[in-house]
Amino acid sequence: KQEVTQIPAALSVPEGENLVLNCSFTDSAIYNLQWFRQDPGKGLTSLLLIQSSQREQTSGRLNASLDKSSGRSTLYIAASQPGDSATYLCAVIPGRAAGNKLTFGGGTRVLVKP
Amino acid sequence: DGGITQSPKYLFRKEGQNVTLSCEQNLNHDAMYWYRQDPGQGLRLIYYSQIVNDFQKGDIAEGYSVSREKKESFPLTVTSAQKNPTAFYLCASSIIGASGRETQYFGPGTRLLVL
Repeated sequence: KQEVTQIPAALSVPEGENLVLNCSFTDSAIYNLQWFRQDPGKGLTSLLLIQSSQREQTSGRLNASLDKSSGRSTLYIAASQPGDSATYLCAVIPGRAAGNKLTFGGGTRVLVKP
Repeated sequence: DGGITQSPKYLFRKEGQNVTLSCEQNLNHDAMYWYRQDPGQGLRLIYYSQIVNDFQKGDIAEGYSVSREKKESFPLTVTSAQKNPTAFYLCASSIIGASGRETQYFGPGTRLLVL
C-alpha cells in the first residue's frame, strides 16, 4: 500500500529565505506526483504536477523535483514571502492501479515571518 | 464563473442524525470525489464517481453514502453510523481523459462539527 510522508510537519522561516519541502513515497511505481497549497479552512490549489517521466517542473518561484527511484520529491520556493504561508501537500497517483486515486501526505505547514 | 461549490461552509450534526453535504460543479467534469481531512493530516478518499449513476468506495467509506444522479452534483451523506464525523470535507472533480489520471480541482470545503 502506498504511503506518502512529509517531513517536517511545520516550518518557520524569515522572509527572503528559500523554502525546501520534502515528500517521500514508499512505492516508486507512480504515474505522477502533484504539489498543492492549502490556506487555512480552504480547499486545495494545484501548484505543480510532475509526470513520472519528468525530473522537475518549474513555475515562477516554485520548482519541484522528482526522484522516482529513491521515492522522493522536493518543492523549492525561492525568496519566500509572507504570502507563501500556507500548508503544502504532496500527492501521488499510482502507476499500477486504474483510476485517479490520489494518496496524500500529511502536509507541511509553512510560516514565513516578515 | 466556472468552478466547484460546496455548501454549507459549516454544518452541525446532532447525535444519531444524518446530514448531507452538497457538491456542485459546472466544469463539465466526468469524475467527482469526496475526501475527508482531519487536523494536521492529509486527505483520505471516501467515495468517487467516474460517471453518472455509478460510484466506488474509497479508503474510508464506512458510515458515508453518496449518489450521482446528475453529472454536476455529487452529494455526500454522513450517516449516524459514522462515529467520528468531525472533520473538514473536500469535494473535487476532474475530466476523464486518455490517461485516466487528470488533475483534480477542489472545492472550498465544508467543516462538519458534532454537537
